[in-house]
Amino acid sequence: QKEVEQNSGPLSVPEGAIASLNCTYSDRGSQSFFWYRQYSGKSPELIMSIYSNGDKEDGRFTAQLNKASQYVSLLIRDSQPSDSATYLCAVDTDKLIFGTGTRLQVFP
Amino acid sequence: DAGVIQSPRHEVTEMGQEVTLRCKPISGHDYLFWYRQTMMRGLELLIYFNNNVPIDDSGMPEDRFSAKMPNASFSTLKIQPSEPRDSAVYFCASSFLVREKLFFGSGTQLSVL
Repeated sequence: QKEVEQNSGPLSVPEGAIASLNCTYSDRGSQSFFWYRQYSGKSPELIMSIYSNGDKEDGRFTAQLNKASQYVSLLIRDSQPSDSATYLCAVDTDKLIFGTGTRLQVFP
Repeated sequence: DAGVIQSPRHEVTEMGQEVTLRCKPISGHDYLFWYRQTMMRGLELLIYFNNNVPIDDSGMPEDRFSAKMPNASFSTLKIQPSEPRDSAVYFCASSFLVREKLFFGSGTQLSVL
């Protein structure tokens, strides 16, 4: 079993819709969780971090964490074509482990 | 600050040749990470340093790979001899705290023919 799992996608949503990206992890001791965005041909950049159960909102982005279910998600409201990218879930065990990413496509 | 600087941006070499990738972290960051990214395996941690000391190299695939950090502003990742399966994008990243925001360099696209 992979330590951090994501659906590779692509996830296609129309402009203005909510995009929901999901991630599961195997290490119950993990305490820190991150979402990185990576545009094609570019390097990853951090967009959200979450450390406790529940929701954390930042603009159009909401991260959700459920440690009991070992599940973390990212919601993007009012999706824009500029949100089209690969979204990487990262989980801190004793080091930062990345999932393989979900490719999001937002079409006009 | 210019961010994390990696060189070269692209490297094409033949199987068996030595390859050296270079990284300059952000000034003041005390952690430096080397990652490798492929379509199949995603972003894999190879090794990381704290205050120039290697802390975890369990991700280094085999003895052909070696990494050094002689000072706080420079690190190298060397592959000798290189093989076609080493073809990937290699990222260097730095951070102030291990579990906090990683700043990635632009990456080195390595192609081994």
